[in-house]
Amino acid sequence: NAGVMQNPRHLVRRRGQEARLRCSPMKGHSHVYWYRQLPEEGLKFMVYLQKENIIDESGMPKERFSAEFPKEGPSILRIQQVVRGDSAAYFCASSPDVGRMNTEAFFGQGTRLTVV
Amino acid sequence: DAKTTQPTSMDCAEGRAANLPCNHSTISGNEYVYWYRQIHSQGPQYIIHGLKNNETNEMASLIITEDRKSSTLILPHATLRDTAVYYCIVRPINAGGTSYGKLTFGQGTILTVHP
Repeated sequence: NAGVMQNPRHLVRRRGQEARLRCSPMKGHSHVYWYRQLPEEGLKFMVYLQKENIIDESGMPKERFSAEFPKEGPSILRIQQVVRGDSAAYFCASSPDVGRMNTEAFFGQGTRLTVV
Repeated sequence: DAKTTQPTSMDCAEGRAANLPCNHSTISGNEYVYWYRQIHSQGPQYIIHGLKNNETNEMASLIITEDRKSSTLILPHATLRDTAVYYCIVRPINAGGTSYGKLTFGQGTILTVHP
């Protein structure tokens, strides 16, 4: 049973370009969470999605950032017109339907975005 | 904002038990206590969670006080590979009685296991 898969593991973008980060949840999981970790800092919640719906986006910057989790395919975190301050590790987690009792969330290994 | 308080750092000798405390004095009746750890920039790893009873799995034990205002994560025989940042998190329960929603990470405890 594969874990949460994130790709790419490392991504380099020039200032002004777009970054697309992908997250494939564990099999049977319909809830996805995105977190950002700036260098030497803690994990900050960004957005929580369920298939085709955004449940909580209270941690998403108002501009340039968007997230989706389509009915088919991975969840995508999209950052438009990247700036140096976007350089960070971005982690995705998934959890199963809330109908199950043990709804721990499992994390992927992250995408490390470097903006040059 | 995180609803937990943890010591910034702790040390433990290899082979000894590591006891990591967490204060969650404002926890409400509909919140679980979760523990995760992050080993040097890797993705956070789930350890254990509980509501009000003590829990044990292959990784650790979780002791929750009767008033639920604090808990202790116990790694019974710490190894060098247990060196990591340990996060204590409270997470709400939905109406169906299962935990859901975002995990809010604080600063955690840096546990260093020494030879």
